[in-house]
Amino acid sequence: AQKITQTQPGMFVQEKEAVTLDCTYDTSDPSYGLFWYKQPSSGEMIFLIYQGSYDQQNATEGRYSLNFQKARKSANLVISASQLGDSAMYFCAMREGFNAGNNRKLIWGLGTSLAVNP
Amino acid sequence: DSGVTQTPKHLITATGQRVTLRCSPRSGDLSVYWYQQSLDQGLQFLIQYYNGEERAKGNILERFSAQQFPDLHSELNLSSLELGDSALYFCASSAKAGTEAFFGQGTRLTVV
Repeated sequence: AQKITQTQPGMFVQEKEAVTLDCTYDTSDPSYGLFWYKQPSSGEMIFLIYQGSYDQQNATEGRYSLNFQKARKSANLVISASQLGDSAMYFCAMREGFNAGNNRKLIWGLGTSLAVNP
Repeated sequence: DSGVTQTPKHLITATGQRVTLRCSPRSGDLSVYWYQQSLDQGLQFLIQYYNGEERAKGNILERFSAQQFPDLHSELNLSSLELGDSALYFCASSAKAGTEAFFGQGTRLTVV
């Protein structure tokens, strides 16, 4: 069963507008972490934002915020005031057993391609 | 700059050959992960090392092997290469209790 689902293969947004990229996840582990990464056309994988399963508040990092709805098992990325440089692939990923004191692998969604129009 | 260094950045080789990809983790990070990103399969976890020991194994083929050395750098060896092995190979590192994995810029392998 797919553990990370990104239902939007592609998204368009007008420059300076906000956009939400969807991510739902599936886990029975109470301890997990959710990550968003950006992959521009150059190929590198850039960490954007992290949300722990026990975090009380939604994570924010500059123009990025994470709309974490634990009961719905969703962790949507919100990008405010889109810029042309935001055009890239965006991946949602999950690490289970985060608090086990041992690093675990990231499980990845298939990504959403975001295009920012001028 | 994530602090994770991967070499080479690009590699073109023929089918049947063997290549070695190298990764230097961020200073102080003990965990190294290898991922393969291909067009048809997305990002796939291959293998994790922690302080020199193999910790977790994913969808890694028997033709592939990896190791982590005492100085914590890691190498991914790919042998008997096939066209389908063409992909972007990422190395990532994290501290023991890290909240994120820092990725290198990847090695783009093209098998012709």
